[in-house]
Amino acid sequence: GAGVSQSPSNKVTEKGKDVELRCDPISGHTALYWYRQRLGQGLEFLIYFQGNSAPDKSGLPSDRFSAERTGESVSTLTIQRTQQEDSAVYLCASSHLADTQYFGPGTRLTVL
Amino acid sequence: DAKTTQPTSMDCAEGRAANLPCNHSTISGNEYVYWYRQIHSQGPQYIIHGLKNNETNEMASLIITEDRKSSTLILPHATLRDTAVYYCIVRVRDSGTYKYIFGTGTRLKVLA
Repeated sequence: GAGVSQSPSNKVTEKGKDVELRCDPISGHTALYWYRQRLGQGLEFLIYFQGNSAPDKSGLPSDRFSAERTGESVSTLTIQRTQQEDSAVYLCASSHLADTQYFGPGTRLTVL
Repeated sequence: DAKTTQPTSMDCAEGRAANLPCNHSTISGNEYVYWYRQIHSQGPQYIIHGLKNNETNEMASLIITEDRKSSTLILPHATLRDTAVYYCIVRVRDSGTYKYIFGTGTRLKVLA
């Protein structure tokens, strides 16, 4: 079946601009996660959605970062007033409840 | 903070078994060990996971020590396509959220 998809695959933006990154989880998966991966590093947890529960935003690095999810479908990660240190690959994963997470291909964000 | 320690890099000859070690000495009794790999520019790919018992699937075997303080991922017959960064991850429960705590992984290079 279809896996997790993310768009765009690459995004280049200027410092100070806002960006939106999209994630389409695997159909039927109740949980959705966003991670950030800086060059040569492991993944950093950003935010977690589980069904209709309040999201766990404990990993968001600043108030410039926010995310939304409609029900158990698409999620959007928004970064406002981008900074150069926001340059990274942003990865989305989904799972059924607390089971194994399956990752998308990521969005590579470059802030000039 | 990462709960796992892995060697930075390893080499393995094609066709031989690749044994990737991981230390997780602070793991709690109900925390699972997961292994993922990441091939350049792709999202992490799930390999295997376990709690106490050894596990095997079509990709690999996972050997967990009796005290659960360490584990080894075994790729029985490594191929060039197994060249990747391998992450040993402890899944923790934090305020109701199941989170993967990523370290920096082991860069495995399979040599022809």
